Amino acid sequence: RKEVEQDPGPFNVPEGATVAFNCTYSNSASQSFFWYRQDCRKEPKLLMSVYSSGNEDGRFTAQLNRASQYISLLIRDSKLSDSATYLCGESGNTGKLIFGQGTTLQVKP
Amino acid sequence: NAGVTQTPKFRILKIGQSMTLQCAQDMNHNYMYWYRQDPGMGLKLIYYSVGAGITDKGEVPNGYNVSRSTTEDFPLRLELAAPSQTSVYFCASTYPGDGYTFGSGTRLTVV
Repeated sequence: RKEVEQDPGPFNVPEGATVAFNCTYSNSASQSFFWYRQDCRKEPKLLMSVYSSGNEDGRFTAQLNRASQYISLLIRDSKLSDSATYLCGESGNTGKLIFGQGTTLQVKP
Repeated sequence: NAGVTQTPKFRILKIGQSMTLQCAQDMNHNYMYWYRQDPGMGLKLIYYSVGAGITDKGEVPNGYNVSRSTTEDFPLRLELAAPSQTSVYFCASTYPGDGYTFGSGTRLTVV
């Protein structure tokens, strides 16, 4: 089993739609979780850290479910500019940050 | 404050050549990482370091070497380049528990 798994998609949604991605992780000792956004041929950029209590930033909400070992990202009112690849990452107490394959989102007019 | 700086941005190597990818950060981060990303794929961890003088293998270390003699620099060495090492290489750094800052990447082609 891969350490971090994501559905690669692509997710094709119309503008204004709500879309959700999940990411599962296998390391029960994982301590920190992140969502990154990556545009084509660019470096990943931090979108959100994921806390046990959840985290919301405008149209974006991230949640952590430790019992089922997954994190989620919800995007409300999708914009064309949200089209990108979304990477989830987890790290434990060793300092390693492991990423999933990434989920591609295409928002259509 | 430049963040994480990678050089070169692009490089073409012949099979069997060697090279060093440079990575420098000016944020006084203890933790530094090297990833590779193949087309349409996620990031695979090659090596990482939790401080000067300390390095450890990631998911795909074969064919690479690293050193960490200072907090700021974390070079990645390819000794005998192979076509399978054609990829985009990203360096990153962080404080433990914080988000990771990435460099803009090095696009390497081995022919």
